[in-house]
Amino acid sequence: AQSVTQLDSQVPVFEEAPVELRCNYSSSVSVYLFWYVQYPNQGLQLLLKYLSGSTLVESINGFEAEFNKSQTSFHLRKPSVHISDTAEYFCAVSARTSYDKVIFGPGTSLSVIP
Amino acid sequence: NAGVTQTPKFQVLKTGQSMTLQCAQDMNHNSMYWYRQDPGMGLRLIYYSASEGTTDKGEVPNGYNVSRLNKREFSLRLESAAPSQTSVYFCASRRTVNTEAFFGQGTRLTVV
Repeated sequence: AQSVTQLDSQVPVFEEAPVELRCNYSSSVSVYLFWYVQYPNQGLQLLLKYLSGSTLVESINGFEAEFNKSQTSFHLRKPSVHISDTAEYFCAVSARTSYDKVIFGPGTSLSVIP
Repeated sequence: NAGVTQTPKFQVLKTGQSMTLQCAQDMNHNSMYWYRQDPGMGLRLIYYSASEGTTDKGEVPNGYNVSRLNKREFSLRLESAAPSQTSVYFCASRRTVNTEAFFGQGTRLTVV
């Protein structure tokens, strides 16, 4: 069965600094990978996804993530964060055995410090 | 644009009581999901329904039952609530396996 690890539970970073949120997954078959963001007291919203093709995927608000099959990773990066990026970030995976089954990681709380 | 609607938003139950959480989506999505969110544990999948008429267990199905009433509605039932079921419950839906999941606003459940 697939699983997701997010090693950093909390990441504080100063405004305009770069950030990387780590995500590793476990699966013996092909996967789809997702990053979702949850702002305080809200539901989750999709940030970006990897299905196939180019291993580097980008979102409209400056985030990017790179799929690395050999390291089973899908780390999220942003070169310069803003206060408004403060939120909880969740990595999620679904595997070819059952693409309908979407498993989330424990989340990383990103705090942007002015 | 209602999207995914969950009811109720808040609920307090006594241990042993039962209740049903309701979820409805108006986007004609095929798949629907129930997750619980607990501090430090992220979202854990309780049950999901890949299409109308089918349901499957997720990571933490014990103590819960679900019904995919029709394509729009997917309910979650707690037959005998326990304090360990205190959590925030999210319903989600998506059109296909490679598309975005849309989430409801959550139900905050407290079992005392």
